[in-house]
Amino acid sequence: GQSLEQPSEVTAVEGAIVQINCTYQTSGFYGLSWYQQHDGGAPTFLSYNALDGLEETGRFSSFLSRSDSYGYLLLQELQMKDSASYFCAVRDPGTASKLTFGTGTRLQVTL
Amino acid sequence: SQTIHQWPATLVQPVGSPLSLECTVEGTSNPNLYWYRQAAGRGLQLLFYSVGIGQISSEVPQNLSASRPQDRQFILSSKKLLLSDSGFYLCAWSVRGLHGYTFGSGTRLTVV
Repeated sequence: GQSLEQPSEVTAVEGAIVQINCTYQTSGFYGLSWYQQHDGGAPTFLSYNALDGLEETGRFSSFLSRSDSYGYLLLQELQMKDSASYFCAVRDPGTASKLTFGTGTRLQVTL
Repeated sequence: SQTIHQWPATLVQPVGSPLSLECTVEGTSNPNLYWYRQAAGRGLQLLFYSVGIGQISSEVPQNLSASRPQDRQFILSSKKLLLSDSGFYLCAWSVRGLHGYTFGSGTRLTVV
């Protein structure tokens, strides 16, 4: 089976940098994804790492270390609108591309 | 462009009543389709997935069933709802070559 662990809550100040960690234990691995979900809304796709290293998309970056079964999402220049829950997810290598999601990290950005 | 429609947005149903939630996808062919459930303040649990018409796989035993009568239509059903069926139900799709899921706007179900 698959299991993923994330911190439950993180608080940071507007303009700062925050890192959300994710460790996983999987029976198969085909990449680590990150999703953002605002209260009451649907998750939206942020990033995907299949190989080790850093992927950058604007203010957001995601990192993966397959040997450590570890990844993180880095958010820079935090804005109030970044207050949301963030989920890491492991993709199953099968044809169905199933995603198993972590428990989620609630990010609160303050002034 | 690809879009996903999910309805209704909210639903309040009595215990023991039936359920039917529908999801349709536009702008893509032969997508993988998924039903997830999210309890309040919790992560997303995969309920069912489908790789083609009539092909349904269940991830957890439960009071729900799913069907895919058409390539871009995915339906979640129950014959008799339980209180524990309350939650936020999300439909999603993916296709080969794209790494992310696209989720529908979700249905918030409250069983009373």
